[in-house]
Order: sequence, then C-alpha cells, then structure tokens
Amino acid sequence: EPEVTQTPSHQVTQMGQEVILRCVPISNHLYFYWYRQILGQKVEFLVSFYNNEISEKSEIFDDQFSVERPDGSNFTLKIRSTKLEDSAMYFCASRAGGTSPLHFGNGTRLTVT
Amino acid sequence: DQQVKQNSPSLSVQEGRISILNCDYTNSMFDYFLWYKKYPAEGPTFLISISSIKDKNEDGRFTVFLNKSAKHLSLHIVPSQPGDSAVYFCAARLFQGGSEKLVFGKGTKLTVNP
Repeated sequence: EPEVTQTPSHQVTQMGQEVILRCVPISNHLYFYWYRQILGQKVEFLVSFYNNEISEKSEIFDDQFSVERPDGSNFTLKIRSTKLEDSAMYFCASRAGGTSPLHFGNGTRLTVT
Repeated sequence: DQQVKQNSPSLSVQEGRISILNCDYTNSMFDYFLWYKKYPAEGPTFLISISSIKDKNEDGRFTVFLNKSAKHLSLHIVPSQPGDSAVYFCAARLFQGGSEKLVFGKGTKLTVNP
C-alpha cells in the first residue's frame, strides 16, 4: 500500500538554525499538509497546500515557517530560525480529494537545543 | 481553543469486551468526523469516518456513532483485541473557503489486557 514517507526520522538542531523537513506524499494525492505534536499535547494543524500554493495556515505558521513543493514528488517544511518551542513531532499528510481521509507519515522528531 | 474534546486520557478494557471511546465537539460547521489510531513512533493511521449527515458507520469490529444534537461521537470496538492498544484520536473536518483542515482531540490511550 502506498504511504507517506518522511525524512529524517529525527533531527537535532541548535536554536537559531534553519531546518528543512522532507516528505514524499502519496503519488496521486493532491492535497498536502503539515501537522505537529508537541510532547503530551494534541496534534495541531500547521498548513495545507493545494495547487502549488498555501490554502490555509494556522497561527503557529508564522513567518519563520515556509513550505515548498519543489518538484512533483517532494513536499518540504522549512523553519528558518528554530526556537526551543519548535521541538515537536512534525507529521506530513496527504489526501486524494473529496472526502478521502488524510494519510500521515511516521513523522520527524525535531529537537531544538 | 478546544473544538474537539476527548475527556478520557486513558481507557483499559479486557480482551473480548467492548471498548467505547468518546469525543465531543463544539463547532457545528464540522462536516466529517474521523478516528485515527496511533502507535508509538508512528504517524496516525486512519481507522473509520462518518459524515455529519449520518448517525452510524460500521466497518468490521469498528463502529462510529454520531449524535449531532449532542455534538458527540463515539467509537465502539467489539471485540477488543490486545493489538488494538494504541492512542485513538478523534478528528473533525472543517471545510471553509475552499480549504479544509482536521481539528484533533488530545487522544485517548486504549489498553486492551489479555
């Protein structure tokens, strides 16, 4: 069964550094998302992406965050200058369309020191 | 802003018995509800969903019930198996202005004891 893949599984970075989290969504999917889960808290929506542009973003998704789909397969989340509070599991998700459910990757654990 | 609430952080049941996971929501604009299951070190996995125009959807051992007037949904697992032990997230879909997103509850950790 096709799946969403995320790399790396764990990223450690120093405060103030830039990180890029990578995702390969399921190939025929059209809608792409990033969610995050801070330890012990709920899964939170960050951003949705469709037709090569952001369709919605949350308050968390400030100017330090950006997303890109540089080619037909990758979907990336960039954090320009990481803060300690950015430490979380970041989940990429994709879906086909209509009311099809989101399919999530296994996440990237980001640790900012 | 807790639009989707799962008030029980954990639930423990015996193998073979019924597991009932509950979820409440506040936003009447949600049009679709989903349950996801999550194992440690993995992403959430879609389990079952229900449209807001229905009150029940069944898939094998899993049944989701929706009570729209009470803004409440529940997931029933019968019979429960040890492999069902995981964190279960309730999620609600909000479709606005051509875009949509899922709003998640905090999750309920289910433990099925052999």
